[in-house]
Amino acid sequence: LAKTTQPISMDSYEGQEVNITCSHNNIATNDYITWYQQFPSQGPRFIIQGYKTKVTNEVASLFIPADRKSSTLSLPRVSLSDTAVYYCLVGLGPDSNYQLIWGAGTKLIIKP
Amino acid sequence: GAGVSQSPSNKVTEKGKDVELRCDPISGHTALYWYRQSLGQGLEFLIYFQGNSAPDKSGLPSDRFSAERTGGSVSTLTIQRTQQEDSAVYLCASSLVAGAQETQYFGPGTRLLVL
Repeated sequence: LAKTTQPISMDSYEGQEVNITCSHNNIATNDYITWYQQFPSQGPRFIIQGYKTKVTNEVASLFIPADRKSSTLSLPRVSLSDTAVYYCLVGLGPDSNYQLIWGAGTKLIIKP
Repeated sequence: GAGVSQSPSNKVTEKGKDVELRCDPISGHTALYWYRQSLGQGLEFLIYFQGNSAPDKSGLPSDRFSAERTGGSVSTLTIQRTQQEDSAVYLCASSLVAGAQETQYFGPGTRLLVL
């Protein structure tokens, strides 16, 4: 069963680029990698998803190396409103025993 | 519907009582997920439904927990003989279909406090 590991917390400053890495050594062939953002007292919301290589959307980029054993969420030019907890998610398929494997979350604090 | 809704938003109960939590998914979403989030902790996956079927119930913490979904829409999570360690936020999410590539849309959660 895949297990995800991510840093507990990170600090950065407004305007900087932030990279959060998640390791998932036992990722299954059919698993996708998805990142969610959660603000206090709210449910998580989708940021970005990928299977391999690089994906970019209007808010973030996701880098996935060829072996897919890790992934890096990149947030360009962060602002104070990016302070949140970020989760990586792997799985949901027969190869993962239909389980959703969430990381413990990375608490990102952006300072002025 | 506009989004995933959950009720009640807050529930305070006494140890040993049964509670029922309700989730109303986005209209047309066939997959529904239940999670538990303890204070300051990450998400604990409990169970998911594709239609009315739950392929794997092994994520439920104990046999005091059960979930059902009828009509492919509303789902209820029932906790029998509640314990203090059941206190947490219970989150529900839905997606168009079940699958790793599907975006999950979360509700606001039900905050359960067992005294």
